[in-house]
Amino acid sequence: QKEVEQDPGPLSVPEGAIVSLNCTYSNSAFQYFMWYRQYSRKGPELLMYTYSSGNKEDGRFTAQVDKSSKYISLFIRDSQPSDSATYLCAMKDSGGGADGLTFGKGTHLIIQP
Amino acid sequence: NAGVMQNPRHLVRRRGQEARLRCSPMKGHSHVYWYRQLPEEGLKFMVYLQKENIIDESGMPKERFSAEFPKEGPSILRIQQVVRGDSAAYFCASSGTGDNQPQHFGDGTRLSIL
Repeated sequence: QKEVEQDPGPLSVPEGAIVSLNCTYSNSAFQYFMWYRQYSRKGPELLMYTYSSGNKEDGRFTAQVDKSSKYISLFIRDSQPSDSATYLCAMKDSGGGADGLTFGKGTHLIIQP
Repeated sequence: NAGVMQNPRHLVRRRGQEARLRCSPMKGHSHVYWYRQLPEEGLKFMVYLQKENIIDESGMPKERFSAEFPKEGPSILRIQQVVRGDSAAYFCASSGTGDNQPQHFGDGTRLSIL
C-alpha cells in the first residue's frame, strides 16, 4: 500500500465549476499537509499549508483535513482555464529531522473554457 | 528574482559521465531539500541539508549520488557515472529557519542521459 494515494485523472470540468481534489494516506504520523500546483515544465508552487484537522480558506481555494479518516481535500471555486495544471498533495510528520515531504502522484486537472 | 534558483535547466550527459546540479535557496532560507521526479512518478525526497551539514539522506541512492551545501555558494547534487535510469527532473526546495516551515521549489533541472 502506497503511503499517499491520489487519483491521477485527468479530471476535466467546465469553467466556473467547483473542483474537488483528494488524497488519502496511511501513515498516522503525518501532521502537516500541503497542496502544490505544478504547470508543465515548472516546479511545484505552494498553494495551501495546513496543520490541524478542519478547513483553511485562501481566496478561491479551500483545504480540508480529516485526520481521523486520513483524508485531505482541496476545493477550487469558480474554476478558470488558468487553473489547468497538475495538483500535488504532500505531507510530513512533525519533524525530528525527518523533514522530507511525501507526495501523491498528482491529479491532472483540465478546465474547459 | 528572490525564488529558488536551479541551474542548469536542462543537462545532457552520456553514460558514465558526471552530472552536477546547482541550487541557490530563496533569500533568507538556510535549509535545502532535493527531490527527484521520474516520468509517471511522484516527487521523491532524496536529501535534506543545512549549511555544511547533511541532516537526512534517507532517500539518496547508496552509490554514485552525493550532495553538499557549503558555507558559501549553492547546494550541489552530484551524480557520478550516470546511467540511463538517472534521467529525471531534479527539484530543489528551500525553507526558512524554524520547525516545519513550508518548502518552496525551484523549476528543476531536467537531466537526460544518452
